[in-house]
Amino acid sequence: EVQLLESGGGLIQPGGSLRLSCAASGFAFSGNAMSWVRQAPGKGLEWVSVISGSGGSTYYADSVQGRFTISRDNSKKTLYLQMSSLRVEDTAVYYCAKGGITIFGNWFDPWGQGTLVTVSS
Amino acid sequence: DIQMTQSPSSLSASVGDRVTITCRASQGINNYLAWYQQKPGKVPKLLIYGASTLQSGVPSRFSGSRSGTDFTLTISSLQPEDVASYYCQKYNSAPFSFGPGTTVDIK
Repeated sequence: EVQLLESGGGLIQPGGSLRLSCAASGFAFSGNAMSWVRQAPGKGLEWVSVISGSGGSTYYADSVQGRFTISRDNSKKTLYLQMSSLRVEDTAVYYCAKGGITIFGNWFDPWGQGTLVTVSS
Repeated sequence: DIQMTQSPSSLSASVGDRVTITCRASQGINNYLAWYQQKPGKVPKLLIYGASTLQSGVPSRFSGSRSGTDFTLTISSLQPEDVASYYCQKYNSAPFSFGPGTTVDIK
C-alpha cells in the first residue's frame, strides 16, 4: 500500500523558515515525480512544486518561486519542501502527492494526510 | 499560463439527481485533465484521469468527458456520500493548475 506521511508543520513568524518532510513507502520512490500542493483554510487547492524522480528537474508556482525549494532523498524515500521568507498568505495545509514516471502527463495519486503551516506573528 | 475555470461554484441537488460540473481550460490541454473529490475535512482523492478514465475503486456513477477545452464531470445519480468539493486539474505541463472547485451538497 502506498503511504505518504507529511511532517514539519507548525506556527512560524512572517519572514521565518520551515522545512516540511514527506516520508514515502509502498512504491518505488525514486521512480516517481512528487509534488507539493497546498490548501489555505477554507480555500481551494493550489499546486506548489514538483520534482522529478531523480531530483534533477524542479518546477514551482510563481507564488513561491525563489522562496521555496523542493528536494528529495531517494535513499531515505523522503520528499522535502524548504520554505523561507514565509508570508501570512503561505498559511495552509501542505500535502505531498505521488506523481508518475515523468514530471508531465501524470495525475496525483495518492495524497498524504497533510501538515498545517501557520504563518502569524 | 493556462487558466482553469469551473462552473458552477456550488450546487445543491436531490438524491438520485444527475449532476454535471464543467471545467474549462484557457488553452488546449488534450486529455491531460484529472478530477479530484475532497470530502469535508478529508484528503483529496483522485476520481478521473485522462479526462475520462475512472480511477480504480471509484463508483461507476462518476464519469468524465471532454469537448475541446471543455471538460465535464457527471454524477449520474447523486448519493449522500457524494457531498464534497470537486476540483479539476491540468497536468500536461507546469504549473499544474487546479480549478477553483465546485461544492456539491444535498437539497
